[in-house]
Amino acid sequence: DSGVTQTPKHLITATGQRVTLRCSPRSGDLSVYWYQQSLDQGLQFLIQYYNGEERAKGNILERFSAQQFPDLHSELNLSSLELGDSALYFCASSANTPGLAGGSQETQYFGPGTRLLVL
Amino acid sequence: DAKTTQPTSMDCAEGRAANLPCNHSTISGNEYVYWYRQIHSQGPQYIIHGLKNNETNEMASLIITEDRKSSTLILPHATLRDTAVYYCIVRVSWYNNNDMRFGAGTRLTVKP
Repeated sequence: DSGVTQTPKHLITATGQRVTLRCSPRSGDLSVYWYQQSLDQGLQFLIQYYNGEERAKGNILERFSAQQFPDLHSELNLSSLELGDSALYFCASSANTPGLAGGSQETQYFGPGTRLLVL
Repeated sequence: DAKTTQPTSMDCAEGRAANLPCNHSTISGNEYVYWYRQIHSQGPQYIIHGLKNNETNEMASLIITEDRKSSTLILPHATLRDTAVYYCIVRVSWYNNNDMRFGAGTRLTVKP
C-alpha cells in the first residue's frame, strides 16, 4: 500500500460525457502527478501540481484539466470524452519538502489507478 | 532526462536471483536512477533509487557502475509474485525537470 488513494476504481461512461477522478496523496506530500496509461501503452505524464499550484504540464489534452485543493487532494476532470480516452489513470505523489532536495524527495508513489471505459 | 535502454523481456527461475540491466550512457551528474515495477495493471510500485553508490533495501539491490553509465537491479530470490514490468528511469531534481518518463521497461517472467 503506497498511501496514495484514488477513487473511483472503475468508471464506465459514454462519449461526450464529463467525469472527475479523485486522488489523495500520501500524508505530507506536496506534489501530485497525473498519468495516463492506454491499452498496451506506456505511462504518459499529464500534469503536476505542487502545493496547490500547477507546476508542469505533459501530454494533457485541452479537454482535460486538474486542480489541487488546500487539503492537497487533487481532481482530474475529463470532458467531451472520446473512445480513445479509455485508459488507466494513475495519480502519484512525492514529498518535495521545501528546502530539501535529493532522490527521496523526488520519489513518486503511485495510487492503484482508475480504470475509465468510454463507450 | 537521460534515455535508458532495457531488454524487452527476461525470464528467471523461481528462487534464483533476477538481474535486470539498464543502460543510461548519457546520464548527467545530478540525475538519480530510479526503479519501479508494474504488476499487471496495478499502479507502478517504487523499488529503489540511487545516485552513485550501490543501494540495498528490503526489496532489491541497485548496483551502479563507477562511470554511472549503467546499472543493475537485483532481486535476490525471485518469486512468482515478482513477475512484472520493470522500469529504469533516470531523472534530475524536480527543480529542473518535472516528469518521470517511463519507457517500455523489461517484462520479467519468473518461472516455477
